[in-house]
Amino acid sequence: NAGVTQTPKFRILKIGQSMTLQCTQDMNHNYMYWYRQDPGMGLKLIYYSVGAGITDKGEVPNGYNVSRSTTEDFPLRLELAAPSQTSVYFCASSSGGGTEAFFGQGTRLTVV
Amino acid sequence: QKEVEQDPGPLSVPEGAIVSLNCTYSNSAFQYFMWYRQYSRKGPELLMYTYSSGNKEDGRFTAQVDKSSKYISLFIRDSQPSDSATYLCAMGGRTGGGNKLTFGTGTQLKVEL
Repeated sequence: NAGVTQTPKFRILKIGQSMTLQCTQDMNHNYMYWYRQDPGMGLKLIYYSVGAGITDKGEVPNGYNVSRSTTEDFPLRLELAAPSQTSVYFCASSSGGGTEAFFGQGTRLTVV
Repeated sequence: QKEVEQDPGPLSVPEGAIVSLNCTYSNSAFQYFMWYRQYSRKGPELLMYTYSSGNKEDGRFTAQVDKSSKYISLFIRDSQPSDSATYLCAMGGRTGGGNKLTFGTGTQLKVEL
């Protein structure tokens, strides 16, 4: 009964480095989402996917890329890390658009 | 104007108090309404989900939706220190924006002994 699993839990990156945040879900959900959460700012949608092979931008997509080759996995790629990308990143999934979403435990990323 | 407005708090109450958390929204296309609880350094956890006006009760928690006033509430009865967390409202539906959820910024609640 894993739900949504994110790895890693913590990461420190240097400016200009790249990394991939992993997300996998075992609920056979079509919809998957990536959010970032900054103090006092709520959850901002970065990218989302409505099914394998289909992705779309959210509110704050700049500096990020995603892919969705399977129903289960939705990795988020940071190509050239910047201090502005220091944040907590959450992956979520849902069975339908706009319905209840289930979240992973987050990845805390610091860019120095 | 934000689509979803939520008082950020912080809200501090004594143990046993009734807590009222609220959100207002502007998009009448929202059909689904949720409350999430988020403990420090954890992911948001779904607490309540409803898609109609009226009340929904689950133990000490009651979610209330008033679509005519575009207002939702979460009531916590007999509040406990373990209820101390940030509470996020969320809304979704066929909004024309890809059917995504829109979140409030969260209300920080502290229940004191």
